[in-house]
Amino acid sequence: NAGVMQNPRHLVRRRGQEARLRCSPMKGHSHVYWYRQLPEEGLKFMVYLQKENIIDESGMPKERFSAEFPKEGPSILRIQQVVRGDSAAYFCASSPPGVESDTQYFGPGTRLTVL
Amino acid sequence: EDQVTQSPEALRLQEGESSSLNCSYTVSGLRGLFWYRQDPGKGPEFLFTLYSAGEEKEKERLKATLTKKESFLHITAPKPEDSATYLCAVQVYGGATNKLIFGTGTLLAVQP
Repeated sequence: NAGVMQNPRHLVRRRGQEARLRCSPMKGHSHVYWYRQLPEEGLKFMVYLQKENIIDESGMPKERFSAEFPKEGPSILRIQQVVRGDSAAYFCASSPPGVESDTQYFGPGTRLTVL
Repeated sequence: EDQVTQSPEALRLQEGESSSLNCSYTVSGLRGLFWYRQDPGKGPEFLFTLYSAGEEKEKERLKATLTKKESFLHITAPKPEDSATYLCAVQVYGGATNKLIFGTGTLLAVQP
């Protein structure tokens, strides 16, 4: 059973460009979460999605950031007009539906560098 | 505000030297406490979930315990391959969210 997959693993963007990060959850998992890890800081929650629904976006910056989890295909975290402060590791996690939805399994992350 | 604090920030052990990592939490209502291991350049790897005070979980050289205010990760006779950052996280009651609130981790180095 393949784990959570993220791509690309490394992404370099210049200031003002757009970054698109993709996440495919584990098979059978319908909950997806995005976290950001800044250098020398802990993991910070950004957004929680189920298929076609945003459940909790309390950790998302108000501007430039958006996330989706369509009915078909991977979840996408989109950052518009990137700035240097967006440089970080972005991790996706997934969990199964139902009573076992508490435990989240993480992907390998996408490391975004903004030049 | 819900908060998780881990100590120490870093710990250096000799192979075979047992020790404990601490995770203290201040939350409105604990739904679950999670331990993860993170190796450099990789994503967190799930270790344990604890739900109620007094609960214990074990896996190889690791044992996690939970009280009403903190959790401990005990490492018995560690080996160099146990070197990693250990992360503690909590889930709290309230709303439909499953979000995890993480501490900043303990960086463990086990020397042969």
